Amino acid sequence: EAGVAQSPRYKIIEKRQSVAFWCNPISGHATLYWYQQILGQGPKLLIQFQNNGVVDDSQLPKDRFSAERLKGVDSTLKIQPAKLEDSAVYLCASSFMTSGDTQYFGPGTRLTVL
Amino acid sequence: AQKITQTQPGMFVQEKEAVTLDCTYDTSDPSYGLFWYKQPSSGEMIFLIYQGSYDQQNATEGRYSLNFQKARKSANLVISASQLGDSAMYFCAMRELGFSGANSKLTFGKGITLSVRP
Repeated sequence: EAGVAQSPRYKIIEKRQSVAFWCNPISGHATLYWYQQILGQGPKLLIQFQNNGVVDDSQLPKDRFSAERLKGVDSTLKIQPAKLEDSAVYLCASSFMTSGDTQYFGPGTRLTVL
Repeated sequence: AQKITQTQPGMFVQEKEAVTLDCTYDTSDPSYGLFWYKQPSSGEMIFLIYQGSYDQQNATEGRYSLNFQKARKSANLVISASQLGDSAMYFCAMRELGFSGANSKLTFGKGITLSVRP
């Protein structure tokens, strides 16, 4: 069974530029999560989708971050414009349903904002 | 108050020995789950083990076991017979299910670095 796929693996941009990350969850997983992991910290949830609907985006900085999962499968997370403090690893995870299911993570995208 | 506390800054263990990684948690929710994930230098979070708040037995998965002490609100990970490939960051995480049982948000601790010496 293929795991969670993410691309790109690494991205370097200048501040005020825009960037997008892509995630393809495990086949059949209805729930998709985007986490931000700043160096030296644990991951923090940014947004959670159930199929193509948003379940929780309370910690998403909506003035600059956006995410979509239009067909209920793969998802894109965008940052526009990027700030220095957005430098982090962006992890995508998926689970079969919501509560009670283990979340499986992708390899992450390491973003550096200069 | 922090929901997940991992205070050990870094741990060292000799190959083939056992090691315990500490995790304490804070919740008023009667229904919750506790997870341990491993994050090697490659960056991927690898699921290791899960313990539900109503589980009577401590969870075990191969060389991993979870020492669950509900009254103390601790969920320590025990790795037996350490291997060089166990060197990584280890994160404890909690999911509070809430009254509806629908919440699936994971809250992570800051992690512990484990180094296995040959």
